[in-house]
Amino acid sequence: QSVLTQPPSASGTPGQRVTISCSGSSSNIGSNTINWYQQLPGTAPKLLIYTNTQRPSGVSDRFSASKSGTSASLAISGLQSEDEADYYCAAWDDSLTLVIFGGGTKLTVL
Amino acid sequence: QVQLQESGPGLVKTSKTLSLTCSVSGGSINSGGYYWSWLRQLPGKGLEWIANIHYSGTSYQNPSLRSRLTTSIDTSNNHFSLRLNSVTAADTAVYYCARGLGVTAFDVWGQGTTVTVSS
Repeated sequence: QSVLTQPPSASGTPGQRVTISCSGSSSNIGSNTINWYQQLPGTAPKLLIYTNTQRPSGVSDRFSASKSGTSASLAISGLQSEDEADYYCAAWDDSLTLVIFGGGTKLTVL
Repeated sequence: QVQLQESGPGLVKTSKTLSLTCSVSGGSINSGGYYWSWLRQLPGKGLEWIANIHYSGTSYQNPSLRSRLTTSIDTSNNHFSLRLNSVTAADTAVYYCARGLGVTAFDVWGQGTTVTVSS
């Protein structure tokens, strides 16, 4: 079981807005920045959000994120079929002294 | 733009040493504040961080792997490497190298290389 907890699955219809949550603790999300990754089937992960809310160049503004206390969330607006992927949150954990990932959320576009 | 490419054997015998190299092109491994990282993904599972190394020599390693792990960086040849000894089937995974914006934000990834550990 991952230290960062994500729902195993999420779904939405094209055009809809979906959110994916990531719950942690004071030793990780509560005291460090969080990053989000998208992994399309059969490909390497892609950095989607870094330092809680920042989008790397080239990432669509349909992706946004927020953080509050020991939880964070990723929002995808205007859902598209190409958004169907696994999404992971990640952060440093001060107690475990390592980078931890959430278990991943599989997003299905219905 | 910076590109990363993993290389190494796809099959390693149980109890032996897994050795991978990540070649960096399109940029210098000793420029900026980047960390150079290794991660893996076990079959059908999520992501696991292995280690980060900076060209200055600063490194961070996953405590669960540290006793078996050696990482190094070769600025002359613009690559960095991973050695994991005493491997078991539990080390079978897709191994990725990546560039880190700091310790946890990996913004450039290699395509990944599958390593199978078998007797």
